[in-house]
Amino acid sequence: GAGVSQSPSNKVTEKGKDVELRCDPISGHTALYWYRQSLGQGLEFLIYFQGNSAPDKSGLPSDRFSAERTGGSVSTLTIQRTQQEDSAVYLCASSPRVSETQYFGPGTRLLVL
Amino acid sequence: AQSVAQPEDQVNVAEGNPLTVKCTYSVSGNPYLFWYVQYPNRGLQFLLKYITGDNLVKGSYGFEAEFNKSQTSFHLKKPSALVSDSALYFCAVRDIGSWGKLQFGAGTQVVVTP
Repeated sequence: GAGVSQSPSNKVTEKGKDVELRCDPISGHTALYWYRQSLGQGLEFLIYFQGNSAPDKSGLPSDRFSAERTGGSVSTLTIQRTQQEDSAVYLCASSPRVSETQYFGPGTRLLVL
Repeated sequence: AQSVAQPEDQVNVAEGNPLTVKCTYSVSGNPYLFWYVQYPNRGLQFLLKYITGDNLVKGSYGFEAEFNKSQTSFHLKKPSALVSDSALYFCAVRDIGSWGKLQFGAGTQVVVTP
């Protein structure tokens, strides 16, 4: 079946612009996660959603980062006023429930100039 | 606080030889441990996990991992490495306080030479 998909695959933006990254989870998965992978920081948890519960936002690095999940399916990660240090690969994952194995998408490579 | 450590940045092995990628963990309570692999310009692929039960866990692509509670280790192993196993390997532990959060090690680059 179809796996987790993310779009765009690559995004180049200028410092100060806002960007939106999209994630389509595996159908039927109620939990959705965002991670960031960068050279300096490795793989970092950002946020996760489980069904209709309040998301765990504890990994968001600043208030410029936000995420939403509409209709319990697609999620959008928004970065406002991008900075060069936001350059990274943003990975999305989903699982049937929050306690189960997370399956990752291919990622969005973000470059902030 | 909990953490995982992958002490080797890179592991080099000849094709056909055994492959071991090391991981140690520090958690309070019972650990939930995972191994993922990442090929160039790809996302993470799940290999195997330990939740409870047998200490030897078998996973995808011929990989297995041994959970050792006394040594707080969860090393990934493959009896005979292939060139196609060359990739970046990550060990991860699930956060006790937040089950949705995986904490990853720094990763180990595996290079298998023909």
